[in-house]
Amino acid sequence: DAKTTQPNSMESNEEEPVHLPCNHSTISGTDYIHWYRQLPSQGPEYVIHGLTSNVNNRMASLAIAEDRKSSTLILHRATLRDAAVYYCILRDNSLEYGNKLVFGAGTILRVKS
Amino acid sequence: ETGVTQSPTHLIKTRGQQVTLRCSSQSGHNTVSWYQQALGQGPQFIFQYYREEENGRGNFPPRFSGLQFPNYSSELNVNALELDDSALYLCASSPRGTAQFAQETQYFGPGTRLLVL
Repeated sequence: DAKTTQPNSMESNEEEPVHLPCNHSTISGTDYIHWYRQLPSQGPEYVIHGLTSNVNNRMASLAIAEDRKSSTLILHRATLRDAAVYYCILRDNSLEYGNKLVFGAGTILRVKS
Repeated sequence: ETGVTQSPTHLIKTRGQQVTLRCSSQSGHNTVSWYQQALGQGPQFIFQYYREEENGRGNFPPRFSGLQFPNYSSELNVNALELDDSALYLCASSPRGTAQFAQETQYFGPGTRLLVL
């Protein structure tokens, strides 16, 4: 019951920016957009989240479309350590859905040296 | 600050057996969620415990059960193991307090790899 759509895979060159897209056309006004990533042989790790405005942190930037039906995770300079599966997840405050992460298949990011 | 830890790291069981997986939550976190990740797929939510009570369950049969202890550590028990239970089992903790669900971050452990033969 994932409510997001992501490309299966993407490839990037090391030291270049990467833009990972996510479509969430059925997003509601109170849904937050979260990104997690999973490095090989590790559990997922939180990357960033936002509601309406673009967000920046030490790991990445999140650009949210004005209509909120899509968003883009931006890695400003990809390194080999950024090779992972990236998951775009919507979260709300309902007791039924809000307390869990609903993962889709995610985007496999490959980084070439 | 110690992160989320899980034990054991790997486990091999035979069909029909029972297994217990353990999770120690990050310091200060009162909520633990369990996920199952089959090979090549995203994690699937099993259930969540908040202050020792089950607080939501995914589409898993009753033979998947759990506990949360007063120190907020948690166990996942699976009875009557089936071949399809072979997966990576992930535990995640979160500091549920006044923040609403939608802004909550979950912190994952490295997982327990279970193989059922």
